[in-house]
Amino acid sequence: KNEVEQSPQNLTAQEGEFITINCSYSVGISALHWLQQHPGGGIVSLFMLSSGKKKHGRLIATINIQEKHSSLHITASHPRDSAVYICAVGSGGSNYKLTFGKGTLLTVNP
Amino acid sequence: KAGVTQTPRYLIKTRGQQVTLSCSPISGHRSVSWYQQTPGQGLQFLFEYFSETQRNKGNFPGRFSGRQFSNSRSEMNVSTLELGDSALYLCASSQRTGDNTGELFFGEGSRLTVL
Repeated sequence: KNEVEQSPQNLTAQEGEFITINCSYSVGISALHWLQQHPGGGIVSLFMLSSGKKKHGRLIATINIQEKHSSLHITASHPRDSAVYICAVGSGGSNYKLTFGKGTLLTVNP
Repeated sequence: KAGVTQTPRYLIKTRGQQVTLSCSPISGHRSVSWYQQTPGQGLQFLFEYFSETQRNKGNFPGRFSGRQFSNSRSEMNVSTLELGDSALYLCASSQRTGDNTGELFFGEGSRLTVL
């Protein structure tokens, strides 16, 4: 089973700050997902990446397959970025059988 | 393009009953996966269906089952409900590109309370 560790568990920032959330996993994978969940439950997929770096607006995700590590960065953070951020990787020999990190609760204060 | 639709959104059952949840994927998506989310365990993978076949299964007891229809809509069933089955059940659809899931599109979830 792939173990997924996220850090930090909780993060409070001031509007405008640069945010970094980290994800480490124990078994080699071919792809990693970053998800965002707002209070109330809805989950949105932010990125699926298998190498290098992806950027979407103020969000940047990087992955280092050799080091089994990924980071999610938020530039110029805004209160609407307040949410739980979850990383997920394939497990048990399948990229479809996802194992999830416990999530990082981000609060951005105005 | 319509998103992933899950019904019902909320339901209350009592121990011992069974429940069926429905998930309609985005048009053209043939992969549907199901997840359970609880405060204690977080998100856990239940199973994945593609072309009406269960392709992957998580570590849940046999009381949890599912199926997929020819139009890619999927249902999951939980029999003999236990208090611990209270959770948010989420489904996600994707185009299932090769070895990877492709981008996952989640529904709003069905919140089940077992009394």
